[in-house]
Amino acid sequence: GENVEQHPSTLSVQEGDSAVIKCTYSDSASNYFPWYKQELGKRPQLIIDIRSNVGEKKDQRIAVTLNKTAKHFSLHITETQPEDSAVYFCAASRQAGTALIFGKGTTLSVSS
Amino acid sequence: KAGVTQTPRYLIKTRGQQVTLSCSPISGHRSVSWYQQTPGQGLQFLFEYFSETQRNKGNFPGRFSGRQFSNSRSEMNVSTLELGDSALYLCASSLTSADTGELFFGEGSRLTVL
Repeated sequence: GENVEQHPSTLSVQEGDSAVIKCTYSDSASNYFPWYKQELGKRPQLIIDIRSNVGEKKDQRIAVTLNKTAKHFSLHITETQPEDSAVYFCAASRQAGTALIFGKGTTLSVSS
Repeated sequence: KAGVTQTPRYLIKTRGQQVTLSCSPISGHRSVSWYQQTPGQGLQFLFEYFSETQRNKGNFPGRFSGRQFSNSRSEMNVSTLELGDSALYLCASSLTSADTGELFFGEGSRLTVL
């Protein structure tokens, strides 16, 4: 079955810096790669996703890149703010809207 | 539109007991998936149901089971509880559409096994 590895497990940055979180997956049939943000005590929420027919997608300060050949995908957050502090999970599935296999998460801390 | 509702929110059990957790998806969502969240292990996939059928299953022992009803509500059951089953159990619902891949999570049921 699918296995998703996520690095780093913790990431500390200064406000205004960029943050990058990287994931690799094992199932070459995976086609959908979302990122979820979970703030302390709250439920995970989708922040951005990418499908296999796209190499990059941006939404304001957030961008995701996908390299299907290498089975890598990454989350880039620019101009980080304290409210970006949370746990970020990458995930993969064969079809959008179906169950996800998640990475173990990255705890991002943004200090002002 | 009401979100995903999970009950109970908190529960305490002792080893050897069994527990049933409930999940009511967003109206119109037919897919429900369950996840176990523990510190350090992240979100581990338990199982997925669509139209009352288990569509996919994670790597958990047979003590973990689930079902889905005709109204898309889902339950999961854990029998013969172990200390290691203490976790936050999250369910998520989705439309299962290629256009809208988002899973909507409930607030979770926090299980403590003593």
